[in-house]
Formats: sequence, structure tokens, C-alpha cells
Amino acid sequence: SQQGEEDPQALSIQEGENATMNCSYKTSINNLQWYRQNSGRGLVHLILIRSNEREKHSGRLRVTLDTSKKSSSLLITASRAADTASYFCATASTNSGAGSYQLTFGKGTKLSVIP
Amino acid sequence: EAGVAQSPRYKIIEKRQSVAFWCNPISGHATLYWYQQILGQGPKLLIQFQNNGVVDDSQLPKDRFSAERLKGVDSTLKIQPAKLEDSAVYLCASSLDPTWTQYFGPGTRLLVL
Repeated sequence: SQQGEEDPQALSIQEGENATMNCSYKTSINNLQWYRQNSGRGLVHLILIRSNEREKHSGRLRVTLDTSKKSSSLLITASRAADTASYFCATASTNSGAGSYQLTFGKGTKLSVIP
Repeated sequence: EAGVAQSPRYKIIEKRQSVAFWCNPISGHATLYWYQQILGQGPKLLIQFQNNGVVDDSQLPKDRFSAERLKGVDSTLKIQPAKLEDSAVYLCASSLDPTWTQYFGPGTRLLVL
């Protein structure tokens, strides 16, 4: 089952604007990760935020995590046409039944940045 | 550093046929994953290997899907027989260990007619 749910499903902005995507999840997590997927290509890891962290930055990316609300947001500042892609949040947790540590992905937000 | 390699990139088969996908992870990565990504959805984990042992295959439809990772390096995922609903992109990923970042291959796009 998919734990993370991204919002909105699709987002269209002008180049230079900021883009904000949200992710909500249901169970406790070890960390939360954001991935980008360009059309027809594999996923690229963007950023990881641990459950004891509240905010993290990487270049033009800013991620926040609120474990009390079970939600995260990804902010891309000064967007570029090359940022056009689908963005997925993935929650990392321990699968007690299988004894494994695994990622569960949401359905993604499709971002279009118009030049 | 070479990334995760997958082949073939595309495959078209008819239902009830069999198909196999191959994955070569990043050198030294002990953990290997196979995901299924249906159009419009996020990837869903099918199976996770630690070296050559299966850690989690709870979401693998074992009546038709099988996977192996011989010698703890390359892996193959097989579907036999394929159904229409198996049409998807099959992604392979690897990581140093389960708690580290996963690196994804380009995927194999499967179309079952």
C-alpha cells in the first residue's frame, strides 16, 4: 500500500516562481525522502530528512517535516524549466513483519515549469 | 561511478508469454530492490535482497513473478505468464545498506498486449 500522499497532483508555474509540494503519511517513519523523476527516466534522490529533524536545505530545495502532523513539504525556489518532472515523497520505515527497512512511495506531484 | 544498469529498456510481449529483466547494481552495494511502477503511480516495492538473500518479498505475486540474485551482484526478475495488468515500468535500485540512499536504474518499460 502507498503511505505517502502528495498534494497537489499537478502544479504548473512560471519560471522563476517557487513551487511547493506537500506530502502526508499515516504511520511512524525513520526518515522521509524526496525523489524526482523526469519523463521516461529513473528516479533521482533529492533529499532525506530524518524523523528528528524539522528542516533541511540543499541548494534551491527546502524540506520541512512535521511528525506531529505526519506531513512534509518540498519547496523549490526560483524554479527553472529543467525542474519540470514528477516529484515523489517516500517514507522509510521498518517493516516489522518482514524485518526489513523499506521505502513506500506516494503517487507524486507532476510539476510543469513554463519558460 | 557507474550507475545501476538495466536491460532491456523496452519490451513488448503478448499475455501469457514470459519475460525477464536484468539488473546490475552499483559496485559494492549490498542491497538490491525491484519496484513496479504503474503509469500515474509511485513505485511499489516487489522484492528486496540483502547480498544474495531475500529480505522482503511480501508484495511479490509469487504465482507469476520470481527473482534471484546470484552471487550477491546481478539480479533477474521474471514474469511467467504475463498478464495485461503487468504493463508497467520495472525499476531496479541499489544501496550500500537498507538505511542509505537508494540509487535507481533507468527502468524497463513493459507492455503486455
